[in-house]
Amino acid sequence: EAGVTQFPSHSVIEKGQTVTLRCDPISGHDNLYWYRRVMGKEIKFLLHFVKESKQDESGMPNNRFLAERTGGTYSTLKVQPAELEDSGVYFCASSQGVADVLNEQFFGPGTRLTVL
Amino acid sequence: GENVEQHPSTLSVQEGDSAVIKCTYSDSASNYFPWYKQELGKRPQLIIDIRSNVGEKKDQRIAVTLNKTAKHFSLHITETQPEDSAVYFCAASFTSYGKLTFGQGTILTVHP
Repeated sequence: EAGVTQFPSHSVIEKGQTVTLRCDPISGHDNLYWYRRVMGKEIKFLLHFVKESKQDESGMPNNRFLAERTGGTYSTLKVQPAELEDSGVYFCASSQGVADVLNEQFFGPGTRLTVL
Repeated sequence: GENVEQHPSTLSVQEGDSAVIKCTYSDSASNYFPWYKQELGKRPQLIIDIRSNVGEKKDQRIAVTLNKTAKHFSLHITETQPEDSAVYFCAASFTSYGKLTFGQGTILTVHP
């Protein structure tokens, strides 16, 4: 079974430009999460979808970030306009359901975003 | 909100030695504590997790202990091998399907 996939693996853009990151979760997983790791720091939560609904978007830094999950399958994270401090590795993760049993979050390989 | 502190930031051991990484959390409502391993250039992968109703869990050479009163949990790796070299992250969450709050990560290097 394919794991969580992310596209692109790397993106280098100029400040002020727009970038869209894509995440394909494991098939059948209702939960989809976005996280970000800025250079050398902790992995920080951005938001959580349950199917197509935003369950928790408390980690979104500001309104330059827009996440969507149309149809409850893949998700996109758009940054517009990008700022220097947006540079980092963006991880997507997915997990199966919302029952409170041990419910592993599977991570994608990440997208390394560099804003110049 | 929840805050997780992780120590040490780097850890260097000789092959065969034990390694211990410690984390503390701030929110007593946290109930789920996973540990992730990220090898260079690869994705974070879950290596072990524990719920708050359990004090210790073991899986071959790795174990996790949880002290809910003191709000700290630790990862123990015995008989370390060079392939254990990686960045290790602890995390805490209210539920296993909710957002994870991560520690800062520990770079573990195992010297042959």
